[in-house]
Amino acid sequence: DQQVKQNSPSLSVQEGRISILNCDYTNSMFDYFLWYKKYPAEGPTFLISISSIKDKNEDGRFTVFLNKSAKHLSLHIVPSQPGDSAVYFCAASGNSNTGKLIFGQGTTLQVKP
Amino acid sequence: DAGVIQSPRHEVTEMGQEVTLRCKPISGHNSLFWYRQTMMRGLELLIYFNNNVPIDDSGMPEDRFSAKMPNASFSTLKIQPSEPRDSAVYFCASRGGGTNEKLFFGSGTQLSVL
Repeated sequence: DQQVKQNSPSLSVQEGRISILNCDYTNSMFDYFLWYKKYPAEGPTFLISISSIKDKNEDGRFTVFLNKSAKHLSLHIVPSQPGDSAVYFCAASGNSNTGKLIFGQGTTLQVKP
Repeated sequence: DAGVIQSPRHEVTEMGQEVTLRCKPISGHNSLFWYRQTMMRGLELLIYFNNNVPIDDSGMPEDRFSAKMPNASFSTLKIQPSEPRDSAVYFCASRGGGTNEKLFFGSGTQLSVL
């Protein structure tokens, strides 16, 4: 009954290469998607978002892609840096006014120098 | 802006004891959320308030859990009695009133129930 799923618990990439984090959702009513980043002993912080009317949103090294037909989104980080090592959470919302977000389990990214 | 403030940062207690977690949202934010982080389920929404009123508590696991928001600057999450399976990191987050406004999280409370 997990509406937002991140099937890869962890990912390891080399510095300078691309990191691709994936997320799947089941509820077709979701219309807004976000990625949050979390460092140890800190709360999650907002990274990037995308509305369901778009299929791509870019912010510097971070790009989020949305495939509505497949109910899939991904986060690309290019180039990856050691400071990007963190837990990344995918989140979805079905009501932009409430702010209620459903999160996935998270993916731990390790970027090796 | 001090951000969302949670206390305590760490709580160790024995099974059966009452636990109270506290949260001060960002000033001016009108929505407050309590989340629980576990390895298996990630970040689970427990309850959220809008203008101090509980809107959705469907994520509260059992009657042992209760949450209050007596005013716009303070909320508590209480577990009574606590059990070892309640051990997790509990996050509070707040949000302004605009469309697609993002959540701002506190640093969390690491709860260990022995």
